[in-house]
Amino acid sequence: DAKTTQPPSMDCAEGRAANLPCNHSTISGNEYVYWYRQIHSQGPQYIIHGLKNNETNEMASLIITEDRKSSTLILPHATLRDTAVYYCIVRGPTGGFKTIFGAGTRLFVKA
Amino acid sequence: SQTIHQWPATLVQPVGSPLSLECTVEGTSNPNLYWYRQAAGRGLQLLFYSVGIGQISSEVPQNLSASRPQDRQFILSSKKLLLSDSGFYLCAWTLRASQNTEAFFGQGTRLTVV
Repeated sequence: DAKTTQPPSMDCAEGRAANLPCNHSTISGNEYVYWYRQIHSQGPQYIIHGLKNNETNEMASLIITEDRKSSTLILPHATLRDTAVYYCIVRGPTGGFKTIFGAGTRLFVKA
Repeated sequence: SQTIHQWPATLVQPVGSPLSLECTVEGTSNPNLYWYRQAAGRGLQLLFYSVGIGQISSEVPQNLSASRPQDRQFILSSKKLLLSDSGFYLCAWTLRASQNTEAFFGQGTRLTVV
């Protein structure tokens, strides 16, 4: 599985969009980009995933660059409850979800 | 709908004592099952995964073992706990068939070895 690089922490004002970047320059053509978040002392929660097209669901949008070497998770209107650690993961094509979660980005949403 | 249960939520155990953490999945069949550990302030480390009953793969050498006695039951064990076994343990499952599927996590067990 390709490795990912994320900033250790970010701040965002409540009600504003939170844009969380992720670099995955060694991603292979058949690997998906997944995003999870972990609120303190809870299990990680799935947010969204994509291959090469941009994706949107009720929680967030995922923008993947054309060369697929980086992506951005967008929380359109951040709330205090979005304060969490966000993990960007690249998932290999075989072997289930043997995924290594890095340190992620700690997002602080401030009132 | 599918749910995953993990217990206990917190556990304090003395060094040298045994450990048994249990995880069960409801609402699906033949899942892939996973045990992760998270040290304080760190990312998640995959410990074990299982693609079927009695089939366990270990990702890192350690003081722990895993077993899958039933299709939807995954158990993490230790005969003698070490201080370094302290951490947040998470169970997860995925659908077995498809590669393009997210993992669903339990709420975790916070283990403190004293």
